[in-house]
Amino acid sequence: EAGVTQFPSHSVIEKGQTVTLRCDPISGHDNLYWYRRVMGKEIKFLLHFVKESKQDESGMPNNRFLAERTGGTYSTLKVQPAELEDSGVYFCASSTRMNTEAFFGQGTRLTVV
Amino acid sequence: AQSVTQLDSQVPVFEEAPVELRCNYSSSVSVYLFWYVQYPNQGLQLLLKYLSGSTLVESINGFEAEFNKSQTSFHLRKPSVHISDTAEYFCAVSDGYSSASKIIFGSGTRLSIRP
Repeated sequence: EAGVTQFPSHSVIEKGQTVTLRCDPISGHDNLYWYRRVMGKEIKFLLHFVKESKQDESGMPNNRFLAERTGGTYSTLKVQPAELEDSGVYFCASSTRMNTEAFFGQGTRLTVV
Repeated sequence: AQSVTQLDSQVPVFEEAPVELRCNYSSSVSVYLFWYVQYPNQGLQLLLKYLSGSTLVESINGFEAEFNKSQTSFHLRKPSVHISDTAEYFCAVSDGYSSASKIIFGSGTRLSIRP
């Protein structure tokens, strides 16, 4: 069974550009989460999908960030326009409805220059 | 709101020495507790978890953690570390009883093993 996959693994973009990160959760997992880790700090929660619905987006930094999960399968996280402080590693995780364990992807390392 | 505190950002130890990585949490409800590990150049992996039942939980590679409700702690221990344990360790908590639950992480502890 495939795990959580994220694409791309690395992205370097200039300030003001747009970047879209993709996450494919484990098949059948209703819950999908996005997290971000900046410069060795804590892994910070961004938002939570249950199927295609946004359950909690309290961690989204601002309206430059847009997450979608059309059809309740894969999810995208778009940053537009990107700023320097958006640099970090973006993790995606998925879990079953019982939510007893979250499975993480390898992360996308975003560098904004 | 839930939160997790990992007081030690870095813990250097000698190979075959014991180690304890500290984790304290705050929550107003019953919790699930986790330790995740990130080895160099890899993603996050679940090391062990406490959901219910026995307060002492173990991993397959010799780590153990004990849920202490009165002290709101979930410290991770290993009696004898190996070079291969070099990694960053994250304590995490969730109120897993609701569909709205999410996992909250600590800031991580970087474990470095000296030969």
